[in-house]
Amino acid sequence: EAQVTQNPRYLITVTGKKLTVTCSQNMNHEYMSWYRQDPGLGLRQIYYSMNVEVTDKGDVPEGYKVSRKEKRNFPLILESPSPNQTSLYFCASSEQGEVADTQYFGPGTRLTVL
Amino acid sequence: DAKTTQPNSMESNEEEPVHLPCNHSTISGTDYIHWYRQLPSQGPEYVIHGLTSNVNNRMASLAIAEDRKSSTLILHRATLRDAAVYYCILRGWNSGNTPLVFGKGTRLSVIA
Repeated sequence: EAQVTQNPRYLITVTGKKLTVTCSQNMNHEYMSWYRQDPGLGLRQIYYSMNVEVTDKGDVPEGYKVSRKEKRNFPLILESPSPNQTSLYFCASSEQGEVADTQYFGPGTRLTVL
Repeated sequence: DAKTTQPNSMESNEEEPVHLPCNHSTISGTDYIHWYRQLPSQGPEYVIHGLTSNVNNRMASLAIAEDRKSSTLILHRATLRDAAVYYCILRGWNSGNTPLVFGKGTRLSVIA
């Protein structure tokens, strides 16, 4: 089944403790991205990747890192999480990231930073 | 990115058609109109997209006004499973990144 998977689905952590949220897709997509969703603010893009080893900042990149060493994986790294990073995170992928492409979203990771 | 305007909420009876409107008066000639929906506790899900002509797929139909300043997502027979937030999104060519820019969307309630 074609899908985007994320792990963990739920995470409660404390300020400053490094964490990684994994994202994997099995559709051989070139383009992957991370979004966060907050009440009243909608979904906002954090980082994106056009291809392996090619990543760039989205609209809200502060406090996050990403890497794209393999086509299928695009982990989101929070080196020193803070409470304002408490949010619902979605990973997405599409064939090329072009305007007509369909984006496929993962199920989400709900992160709470205490 | 050009903006879209949608009603905050709509209600429909089960098994009746639903027409979800979207205004996008500042759309440019190369902007695609995308619709996604988000069911409770799930990630956004693609519904349909189009450029100029009306489009149909197994989930819905998209009717695009002749001047492209508005569009309507049509669910032909609403089911309880269609209760979700529906987002109308314009996506235009931009060198490199073309993220989906989600607004507030329309929350659709379906009554049994």
